[in-house]
Amino acid sequence: GQNIDQPTEMTATEGAIVQINCTYQTSGFNGLFWYQQHAGEAPTFLSYNVLDGLEEKGRFSSFLSRSKGYSYLLLKELQMKDSASYLCALQEYGNKLVFGAGTILRVKS
Amino acid sequence: DAGVIQSPRHEVTEMGQEVTLRCKLISGHNSLFWYRQTMMRGLELLIYFNNNVPIDDSGMPEDRFSAKMPNASFSTLKIQPSEPRDSAVYFCASTTGQDYGYTFGSGTRLTVV
Repeated sequence: GQNIDQPTEMTATEGAIVQINCTYQTSGFNGLFWYQQHAGEAPTFLSYNVLDGLEEKGRFSSFLSRSKGYSYLLLKELQMKDSASYLCALQEYGNKLVFGAGTILRVKS
Repeated sequence: DAGVIQSPRHEVTEMGQEVTLRCKLISGHNSLFWYRQTMMRGLELLIYFNNNVPIDDSGMPEDRFSAKMPNASFSTLKIQPSEPRDSAVYFCASTTGQDYGYTFGSGTRLTVV
């Protein structure tokens, strides 16, 4: 099994940069996902890390360190529409995808 | 591509009744996942299938829950009898397993009164 930990809530200001951390304990995994979920909607894919390092995708970047059991999602130039829950998930062997509890991000003007 | 389709979108039922949730996978996807989401417990994996075969059902809460995948494109999740604590949003998701594209359906919001 695995343990995935994320902060419960974060607040940031429009235009700023925010980093959402995810730590995990697992015996092994294929890759690590970040999903975004707006209230009342389904989760949508943001990023996927297999190798250690930074993956950049527009305003969003995700970092993975397997040796440290650590990942983060970096959101730049925050917009009000970025207010949502951000879910860290581990893809175990055999395609099994297990989620952390999620971090609620509130963007204020 | 119509995406993953779930039905119904909303279901309100009385305690003790049978509830059946339905999910249609994206064509070509061969892995299917059922999740339950509540404020208290977050997004929990209930069961998943690879190529129509149940691989891991350790997340199914109890014997009142059952899931089937009668063919490559369709799955059902049944709760019998339903209880108020089953109230949640139930999502299904599918993937090809060849890349990182897990696609979620819109979910079924279940309320058991």
